[in-house]
Amino acid sequence: DADVTQTPRNRITKTGKRIMLECSQTKGHDRMYWYRQDPGLGLRLIYYSFDVKDINKGEISDGYSVSRQAQAKFSLSLESAIPNQTALYFCATRDVLGYTFGSGTRLTVV
Amino acid sequence: AQSVTQLDSQVPVFEEAPVELRCNYSSSVSVYLFWYVQYPNQGLQLLLKYLSGSTLVESINGFEAEFNKSQTSFHLRKPSVHISDTAEYFCAVSGVGNEKLTFGTGTRLTIIP
Repeated sequence: DADVTQTPRNRITKTGKRIMLECSQTKGHDRMYWYRQDPGLGLRLIYYSFDVKDINKGEISDGYSVSRQAQAKFSLSLESAIPNQTALYFCATRDVLGYTFGSGTRLTVV
Repeated sequence: AQSVTQLDSQVPVFEEAPVELRCNYSSSVSVYLFWYVQYPNQGLQLLLKYLSGSTLVESINGFEAEFNKSQTSFHLRKPSVHISDTAEYFCAVSGVGNEKLTFGTGTRLTIIP
């Protein structure tokens, strides 16, 4: 099993719909992150969490929310999806040695 | 604040030729530096990292990068590329004590047979 697992791998949704992207990890790390990747823009930080009770906004948090249900689970929600949220989303964990990324969720909002 | 600049969005290279992918950063504090690789239709994989110690770091597949503090650079090099190196490469920086990992915009490496 992968250290960081994201579900679903691909999703197409309609404008205005609520959608949740899920992330789970088996590394036992406290720190978890959500990034989005857009062509030509690299990866940008949406939210990050130091532990279950500590959630922080990243540079592009508008239109997103997160939930840290347990140390191992960190979900990203789009309350009302819009087309410019079409992107590749990555979850990551971190320890002192560095970051581990999931395989990504490709989200298309039509 | 911290930032990363990858000036080359695309780099075409002939197979078995050398390559250098450039990365410059800015930060007000000491940094950790990373190179990640993303193969077509896959996620991000750590290629190599600089945390401390020797300024020259190497990966298992022949890439190396050198931390140059005076030039604020962390360029990635390989003496002889292969078709399998075709991918997008991202440079990233994290300030020591800073939780945020900031990425460059990526360099797409295309190997020409």
